[in-house]
Amino acid sequence: QSVLTQPPSASGTPGQRVTISCSGSSSNIGSNTVTWYQQLPGTAPKLLIYNDNQRPSGVPDRFSGSKSGTSASLAISGLQSEDEADYYCAVWDDSLNGQVFGTGTKVTVL
Amino acid sequence: QVQLQLWGAGLLKPSETLSLTCGVFGGSFRGYYWSWIRQPPGKGLEWIGEIYHTGSTTYNPSLKSRVTISVDTSKKQFSLKLSSVTAADTALYYCARGFLPAGTWTKHFDYWGQGSLVTVSS
Repeated sequence: QSVLTQPPSASGTPGQRVTISCSGSSSNIGSNTVTWYQQLPGTAPKLLIYNDNQRPSGVPDRFSGSKSGTSASLAISGLQSEDEADYYCAVWDDSLNGQVFGTGTKVTVL
Repeated sequence: QVQLQLWGAGLLKPSETLSLTCGVFGGSFRGYYWSWIRQPPGKGLEWIGEIYHTGSTTYNPSLKSRVTISVDTSKKQFSLKLSSVTAADTALYYCARGFLPAGTWTKHFDYWGQGSLVTVSS
């Protein structure tokens, strides 16, 4: 059972804004930066956001990350059909002394 | 362009040892945390552990007693061994490059291997 909790699913119509939450604790999100990954069906995860809100080159600015206290969020604005994927948050946990992933959220474009 | 390619046995019997190797092509090998991550079919991601180019390792506490990660910097390869496997170890295994920004302990995995399905079955 992961120490990072995400909603199992989220959905929206094309063009809408979708937000995914990642809830942790003081030993992980509260003290380290959060990373987000996108996993398209049948492929390896892809880095989407690092350092809470930084986008690697090539990631559209429709994707944005934020953090407050022991929770983080990923927002997808202007939702597109190709955004249909699983999304995972990840962070280092000081108590476990290891990297932990969130439970994952499946985004569906209606 | 950095590419990670992994190989190893895909079918194991319970109690056997899983062995996978990941080769790094392109880019520097030094300065990164070379990591193993797995994903059981239909489930989420689980970090297994990492090795720095110096050989320093950190393992997931839940797997620590069974995991060994090693590195061969001359070949730009790193390897995973997981002993005493059971059906619960059936998963898609990924290798990935981890970068550690200043001011945090969270590595971000910017390059991933293609994944290798390991099935444990009698």
